[in-house]
Amino acid sequence: DQQVKQNSPSLSVQEGRISILNCDYTNSMFDYFLWYKKYPAEGPTFLISISSIKDKNEDGRFTVFLNKSAKHLSLHIVPSQPGDSAVYFCAASANDMRFGAGTRLTVKP
Amino acid sequence: DAGVIQSPRHEVTEMGQEVTLRCKPISGHDYLFWYRQTMMRGLELLIYFNNNVPIDDSGMPEDRFSAKMPNASFSTLKIQPSEPRDSAVYFCASSPGGNTEAFFGQGTRLTVV
Repeated sequence: DQQVKQNSPSLSVQEGRISILNCDYTNSMFDYFLWYKKYPAEGPTFLISISSIKDKNEDGRFTVFLNKSAKHLSLHIVPSQPGDSAVYFCAASANDMRFGAGTRLTVKP
Repeated sequence: DAGVIQSPRHEVTEMGQEVTLRCKPISGHDYLFWYRQTMMRGLELLIYFNNNVPIDDSGMPEDRFSAKMPNASFSTLKIQPSEPRDSAVYFCASSPGGNTEAFFGQGTRLTVV
């Protein structure tokens, strides 16, 4: 049972534009949400997180939005840079940590 | 700290053989997670431990899979007997608390032929 879903396997954007990655979850017990970035042949690395008591968290070019009523979160990257090209995983936690299938982001120069 | 350390980085084995993957978490971290990365399901949680105790192993695909954490600095994931469909990248991660950032190892790429 996939409790965390990333329905877009890939996304391509132009350098300088905004990248929006989406994630949906089904378990209302999740109270902490994270985004990870993964390069080939490496483990995922933490990018940004948000607690369920907030609806927005910003860190430089990265902003995560949480809509609890819709059980939806998104990651905005602006402006997008070629170095942002990677696979992005959404994760949700209620002590355990469940991941989505990932979205491959390609930022074109 | 050197981070989460997994060994081996690559493992090629024949079908039917036993495979053991190893993980050393970051010192002081109370949670340890084992994941399997597949194209279809992304990072699939297999099992996680809190203070060396298995909390949820519902993600372990079959009885052929087992995991142990004999002490706070070591965990193993064993597959016996291995099958070609077990071929994947297996990640170990640790975190200092339940709802905090988890730190990943570099993974073990397993190929069962």
